[in-house]
Amino acid sequence: DAKTTQPPSMDCAEGRAANLPCNHSTISGNEYVYWYRQIHSQGPQYIIHGLKNNETNEMASLIITEDRKSSTLILPHATLRDTAVYYCIARFSGYSTLTFGKGTMLLVSP
Amino acid sequence: DAGVTQSPTHLIKTRGQQVTLRCSPKSGHDTVSWYQQALGQGPQFIFQYYEEEERQRGNFPDRFSGHQFPNYSSELNVNALLLGDSALYLCASSFLGLAGKGEETQYFGPGTRLLVL
Repeated sequence: DAKTTQPPSMDCAEGRAANLPCNHSTISGNEYVYWYRQIHSQGPQYIIHGLKNNETNEMASLIITEDRKSSTLILPHATLRDTAVYYCIARFSGYSTLTFGKGTMLLVSP
Repeated sequence: DAGVTQSPTHLIKTRGQQVTLRCSPKSGHDTVSWYQQALGQGPQFIFQYYEEEERQRGNFPDRFSGHQFPNYSSELNVNALLLGDSALYLCASSFLGLAGKGEETQYFGPGTRLLVL
């Protein structure tokens, strides 16, 4: 699985959009980009994933650049409950496991 | 629809003891993966079970073993516990289906916090 690079921490004001970047410059054509988040001491929560096209669900939007070397997770209206560590993971489908890096600690403040 | 469940939630053991952790996958899922998360670190993959067999294994010693039952639930066993085994143990389930063609997004349980004294 390709290595991903994320900033160690980010701040966001409550109600504003949180844009979390991820670099995956060595990603293969059939590797998906997955995003999970982990609130302190809880299990990671699946957010969204994509291959080439931008994706949106009830939690977030995922924007993947045309060359697939980077992506951005967008939380459109961040709340205090969105404070968590966010992990960007590149992985193949099938039996592939998840390789977690250090992630980005997002702090949402009032 | 119940999500992934794990038991127990917390556990305290002493060095040298053995421990068994349990996981019930999300309804409709057939694959279980186990991860270890030390304090301040991201989760690390231990192994994955599909069709009652260990399919993949991470860089963990043989003291870590597992099992998957016909109902897809799974156990993680750790023998000869070390202080360094203290961690949050996470179970994730997914659906691979026949020939591994399922969607395969992994969903995590709340974890079991193990403390080895």
